Amino acid sequence: EAGVVQSPRYKIIEKKQPVAFWCNPISGHNTLYWYLQNLGQGPELLIRYENEEAVDDSQLPKDRFSAERLKGVDSTLKIQPAELGDSAVYLCASSLGLGGGSGTGELFFGEGSRLTVL
Amino acid sequence: EDQVTQSPEALRLQEGESSSLNCSYTVSGLRGLFWYRQDPGKGPEFLFTLYSAGEEKEKERLKATLTKKESFLHITAPKPEDSATYLCAVQAYTGFQKLVFGTGTRLLVSP
Repeated sequence: EAGVVQSPRYKIIEKKQPVAFWCNPISGHNTLYWYLQNLGQGPELLIRYENEEAVDDSQLPKDRFSAERLKGVDSTLKIQPAELGDSAVYLCASSLGLGGGSGTGELFFGEGSRLTVL
Repeated sequence: EDQVTQSPEALRLQEGESSSLNCSYTVSGLRGLFWYRQDPGKGPEFLFTLYSAGEEKEKERLKATLTKKESFLHITAPKPEDSATYLCAVQAYTGFQKLVFGTGTRLLVSP
């Protein structure tokens, strides 16, 4: 079974430039997450989707960050314009949802997209 | 606000030298506590879920335990391939029920 696929793995851009990251979740997983991970820190949630609906975007800096999940499958996270402080790893994860049962909290992560802003 | 504190930040062991990692948490109604393993350049990989105080889970050389205030990840006779960062996360019943991660413990096991 294929895991969560992210691209690009690495991206280097100048500040003020736009950047986009793509994520393909595990087939059948209706919940999709974007996390931000700074060096030496744990992942921090940016946005969570249940199918096409963004149900938790409270930590997403909406002035420069945007995300979409068309048709409830693939997702794109965009930053425009990028700032120096945006340099980090952007992780995508998917799960079978937050419903009760053994699947709760078992997220499947991709390998991440490492962004460097110069 | 839900919080997770992990200690130590880093731990170096000799192969076969058992030890424990600590995860202290404060949460408004614990729905679950989770342990993940993260290798360099990779995303976190799920290990365990613990739901209530007194619960224990085991997987190979790893055993996770839970009390009302903290969780321990015990590593018995570790091998070099156990070297990784171990992340703890909590999920509350309230709010958006998002996972709140700690900063992790970097474990290095030397042959």
